[in-house]
Amino acid sequence: GAVVSQHPSWVICKSGTSVKIECRSLDFQATTMFWYRQFPKQSLMLMATSNEGSKATYEQGVEKDKFLINHASLTLSTLTVTSAHPEDSSFYICSASLGLAGGPRSTDTQYFGPGTRLTVL
Amino acid sequence: QKEVEQDPGPLSVPEGAIVSLNCTYSNSAFQYFMWYRQYSRKGPELLMYTYSSGNKEDGRFTAQVDKSSKYISLFIRDSQPSDSATYLCAMAASGGSYIPTFGRGTSLIVHP
Repeated sequence: GAVVSQHPSWVICKSGTSVKIECRSLDFQATTMFWYRQFPKQSLMLMATSNEGSKATYEQGVEKDKFLINHASLTLSTLTVTSAHPEDSSFYICSASLGLAGGPRSTDTQYFGPGTRLTVL
Repeated sequence: QKEVEQDPGPLSVPEGAIVSLNCTYSNSAFQYFMWYRQYSRKGPELLMYTYSSGNKEDGRFTAQVDKSSKYISLFIRDSQPSDSATYLCAMAASGGSYIPTFGRGTSLIVHP
């Protein structure tokens, strides 16, 4: 099956620093990648969607200048949390899809990474 | 009211029991229905995917969709301790972004 990796799996950083999280599709080319955050015992909250070669589409309430997303290639997307603060501490999960965002295949072929736990001190 | 409602549990059952997990929703435009399993500190994995109403069976898992009641279910037969995880329902509408809306997940514990 399709495999998506994330790196790092966990990170602890000081308040004010920036953290980069990588998401890679290992055995397929991902047309679309999604970034979610998940608080304990809460649902997955979509942060942004990106199609390779175009700018990310951010969900309402997500600061695009704070959460920088770069979909560099069909197998790599990065999320950079800039000037992180304790309230940014969360579990960040990416997913990758064979389908274009805005089409049904992006729904049925989302493969999730293992997540990155960010703790900001 | 949230678009997707799911009881967080935990739901604790003995090994071998039949488990019923449910979600309700309010958006009548939803046509794609999914169930994901998420182990602790891991990303979700897709278990079942159905389009529109009806039943779908895959091994010990059966997904049911009742669009008239806006209610979906996941049944697990002969539950095993390895089924202990959080189960998230998700659903998406066609003609829009097709991006799923997730429930908050139900924590399932199957004890030996």
